[in-house]
Amino acid sequence: DAGVIQSPRHEVTEMGQEVTLRCKPISGHDYLFWYRQTMMRGLELLIYFNNNVPIDDSGMPEDRFSAKMPNASFSTLKIQPSEPRDSAVYFCASSSYQTRDTEAFFGQGTRLTVV
Amino acid sequence: QKEVEQNSGPLSVPEGAIASLNCTYSDRGSQSFFWYRQYSGKSPELIMFIYSNGDKEDGRFTAQLNKASQYVSLLIRDSQPSDSATYLCAVNIPQAGTALIFGKGTTLSVSS
Repeated sequence: DAGVIQSPRHEVTEMGQEVTLRCKPISGHDYLFWYRQTMMRGLELLIYFNNNVPIDDSGMPEDRFSAKMPNASFSTLKIQPSEPRDSAVYFCASSSYQTRDTEAFFGQGTRLTVV
Repeated sequence: QKEVEQNSGPLSVPEGAIASLNCTYSDRGSQSFFWYRQYSGKSPELIMFIYSNGDKEDGRFTAQLNKASQYVSLLIRDSQPSDSATYLCAVNIPQAGTALIFGKGTTLSVSS
């Protein structure tokens, strides 16, 4: 398997524009997570899905953020409108709930810069 | 509020020394504990997991868990310059499947 695939790798956008980040989890994994990483706040869990269903979105910072998982092989994180404080690295991760030891596999991340 | 605390560092050790990284967590219901390594500009990758009190060894790495003290540590023996990275402690969220909360990480620098 190619691992978790995220696109784009880098995104530069102007304040107020809509941004869509994409993720393809590892085939067969039933959990998908969106994290955001900044120097100040570290790696924050934004939302996670189980079997394509959103389970907990309490980490989503504002209503400007939304996430969907229309099928087992694709998820999006959308920011509309974007603001400079949204600049961060956004990671998607997936895992399979087989044992409590299971690890989360991370994608390469999308570095978002909002100017 | 679930929290995972780590000393941000940087922690500097000479090549061949033992590096000791520490982590505390707030939720007593957490059962699984992970150490991830993250090189600059890269994504986190798993080094070790532990869920029983005591020590778990894997090569040069030893994870230690004390649930009574809500404390997890990672020891790196014979540290190498290639170990220079940020080490993230992660803890499972109870009743949340495999969802993890991460600490902000400790930056380790190994000098040759």
